[in-house]
Formats: sequence, structure tokens, C-alpha cells
Amino acid sequence: QLQLQESGPGLVKPSETLSLTCTVSGGSISSSSFYWGWIRQPPGKGLEWIGGVYHSGNTYYSPSLKSRVTISIDTSKNQFSLKLKSVTAADTAVYYCARRGYYDSSGHYSPDVFEIWGQGTRVTVSP
Amino acid sequence: QSALTQPASVSGSPGQSITISCTGTSSDIGSYNLVSWYQQHPGEVPKVMIYEDSKRPSGVADRFSGFKSGNTASLTISGLQPEDEADYFCCSYGGSNTYVFGTGTKVTVL
Repeated sequence: QLQLQESGPGLVKPSETLSLTCTVSGGSISSSSFYWGWIRQPPGKGLEWIGGVYHSGNTYYSPSLKSRVTISIDTSKNQFSLKLKSVTAADTAVYYCARRGYYDSSGHYSPDVFEIWGQGTRVTVSP
Repeated sequence: QSALTQPASVSGSPGQSITISCTGTSSDIGSYNLVSWYQQHPGEVPKVMIYEDSKRPSGVADRFSGFKSGNTASLTISGLQPEDEADYFCCSYGGSNTYVFGTGTKVTVL
């Protein structure tokens, strides 16, 4: 069973870079079917899509975060990573990694659904 | 790319039906049949309930249904159960491999 696990510092100082890693277990990150994404949720607020990466390394970012975000993939480690630079208090959130893509019971593939999520990691931006 | 608009809260009694709306634009909801809905209980991870506007993943109760018309999608919960009390978020494909989530709706079972 595929599992995702986020890891990284829980506290980041303002103006510094937030760095998180998502480790995938129980399956290969190199599958061409899927896309690996990051989503965040500020305290008491809604979900915000940050961006994602294919096994090829092609990346896609939210227009509002594009200037500060870098997502990368390391297929040899079965991991993908998020870097968000110049953070402020507004970046305080629970950060989730997720797999985009779903195979139904008949084997039909639907790409545009975030089926499997990590447990999330809380990151606080504070001096 | 602005967040999709959802009502902040919706409530209903056990057994009743409720509907949550999700309003976007012609650039997201209106352009694709790719709206998904996620349920999130407090302190838990979001779980997909509906994808591609109206499809249910295996294991999701058939009292959850999705519909879309124009720039607005909706999630209906029929025969509301106490365990349905949670936050619900819609999400739409926005083109060019981008996605936008809704503002979220808190469902309360009275």
C-alpha cells in the first residue's frame, strides 16, 4: 500500500527557506502515470495547491507562489521535495504531500484527483 | 487564480439532505469536467469523496453525489449521518497542470 511521509523542520525563521521532503513507500515514484504534489493548509483555513512534479522532473507551480517555490524529484531515493524561499508568517501551515492520480476498480485512470496524502507536517514561521 | 467560493457552513439533521456549492469561473470549473471534493475531519488528512465532477471512488458511500453546471459544482449528501460532520473542500483543474481549491465548508449535523 502506497504511503507518503513528509519530513523537515517544524520551525523556520522569517526570510529564510522552508525545505520539506516527501518519502514515498510501498510503490515507485517513477511511475509515469502519477504526479506528485504539495498542498498546504494555514491554521483554521482552507487548502492551497502549491505545485507538483512528474517523474521526468517537469514541474508546475501555483501562479501566486511561483516566484518563491521550487519542487524537485529524486527517483533514486523515491522522494520529492519542496523549497519555499523568503518565508513570512503567512507561510505558517500544515504542508501535505500527495499523489495525483487514481485508478478505479476497472483499471481506468483519472489523473486529476489527489487520492493519496501524507499525514502532513506543521511548519511555523517565527523568529 | 482565486480560490473557489464555498459557503462557510451548512447544517442539517440526521437523515436530511444537504448541498454544498462551489463557484468558480470559466477558466476553471466552467472549462473542465474535473472537479473533485474532499472531506476532512478535524486533525485528519483530506479524503477524496468525488472526482471528475460526479464519480465516486471505491469505498465512498453512495449518499455522496456530485454535479456541475456552468461555473458551479455541488456536493450533495443524502441521508446525512453524524459521521458526515466535517469540513469539505472542492478542487478544480485550472489548466496547464494547475489546480485551485475552494474556501471550504463546515458541515454540522444537528
